[in-house]
Amino acid sequence: AQSVAQPEDQVNVAEGNPLTVKCTYSVSGNPYLFWYVQYPNRGLQFLLKYITGDNLVKGSYGFEAEFNKSQTSFHLKKPSALVSDSALYFCAVRAGFNTDKLIFGTGTRLQVFP
Amino acid sequence: DVKVTQSSRYLVKRTGEKVFLECVQDMDHENMFWYRQDPGLGLRLIYFSYDVKMKEKGDIPEGYSVSREKKERFSLILESASTNQTSMYLCASSTRTSWGSYNEQFFGPGTRLTVL
Repeated sequence: AQSVAQPEDQVNVAEGNPLTVKCTYSVSGNPYLFWYVQYPNRGLQFLLKYITGDNLVKGSYGFEAEFNKSQTSFHLKKPSALVSDSALYFCAVRAGFNTDKLIFGTGTRLQVFP
Repeated sequence: DVKVTQSSRYLVKRTGEKVFLECVQDMDHENMFWYRQDPGLGLRLIYFSYDVKMKEKGDIPEGYSVSREKKERFSLILESASTNQTSMYLCASSTRTSWGSYNEQFFGPGTRLTVL
């Protein structure tokens, strides 16, 4: 069965420092991977996706993610964190070969301190 | 811009009441989804609809039903609300996947339901 894991409940980083939010996956077949962000009192917003191609995927708000097949990881990164990046981040994977459903991770809260 | 709207941001109901949560999307998407979000559990899929009148159970369908009579509208029904259904409910929509591509889901703002 497809699954994703977000090993950290919370990540703290100082403004201006690089940030990484971790995600690992377990799939049969080729993974379709996604990152979403949820700002306070808001619905989820799509950040980026990996379907195929370059291992480094660029997304919204300066975020990028690196697909690593050997480590089965899809970590979210940003070179310089902003206080406004503080939010809840979800990794997700397509639930199967012939479905439009996603399986979401448990979420990681990112706190960026001034 | 895709817009997904949900009928209420906050809702308070009594145990045993029948509860309707409404979701409307304006981009002619084939797929619509209902999730619940709970701290530490992430998002869990309740039901999925891939076309009008078509539905598929998600991971936690017990105690819920859905209705999709029109393409733009997807309703979640709690037949007899219970306190363990207190949660944030998120609706989403997406286009149907085609070969070699996968289109992201667009989410509504959520409905925070409290069952007393």
